[in-house]
Amino acid sequence: DIQMTQSPSSLSASVGDRVTITCRASQSISSYLNWYQQKPGKAPNLLIYLASSLQSGVPSRFSGSESGTDFTLTISSLQPEDFATYYCEQSYSIPVTFGQGTRLEIK
Amino acid sequence: QVQLVQSGAEVKKPGASVKVSCKASGYIFTDYFIQWVRQAPGQGLEWMGRINPNSGGTNYAKKFQGRVTMTRDTSISTAYMELSRLRSDDTAVYYCARRIVARPNGMDVWGQGTTVTVSS
Repeated sequence: DIQMTQSPSSLSASVGDRVTITCRASQSISSYLNWYQQKPGKAPNLLIYLASSLQSGVPSRFSGSESGTDFTLTISSLQPEDFATYYCEQSYSIPVTFGQGTRLEIK
Repeated sequence: QVQLVQSGAEVKKPGASVKVSCKASGYIFTDYFIQWVRQAPGQGLEWMGRINPNSGGTNYAKKFQGRVTMTRDTSISTAYMELSRLRSDDTAVYYCARRIVARPNGMDVWGQGTTVTVSS
């Protein structure tokens, strides 16, 4: 199985900050990396697919990039509604695997 | 609009089975895998498996093989996930989500989740 190592596990930041979250795959997954946002009591919401494609309806302050087996989610200017938990997911091979999650909290 | 609507919360005793449904609407049911993902209280996301509604073909995570069965009824655009021999650590929110068959993009539509509580 492909392991996804996500960091940090938690992060405190302020409104307006630029934030990056990283996911490292244990082997090559091409660009089959997706990012989700989850708020308490809600289903996950797809933000970025195929490493850098913005899902329809998602604000442009969210972006994704890749370098080899390292993937990054960037939020350019944090808004109050962005405080949530973020997960990466590889869809390159079965079984699909998720990162452990990053909890983004208000400083 | 495109949506997945799941069945309601369940309370089960250890050793019992649970069957969760996921009704799709607003799109061609057979064009998208239905994936099942669960989340134990305070924990992360765990993939359980998927079904191709067109062929009925399934893939299960090793952890659940032998205990999980995923099926579908194309006449009513509904997928099902049945988990047997329930244990207390199966207490979780169970989500269905769709992913297009043609390409492994992200899961772009999710059900609202079904809470399954396993308790004696």
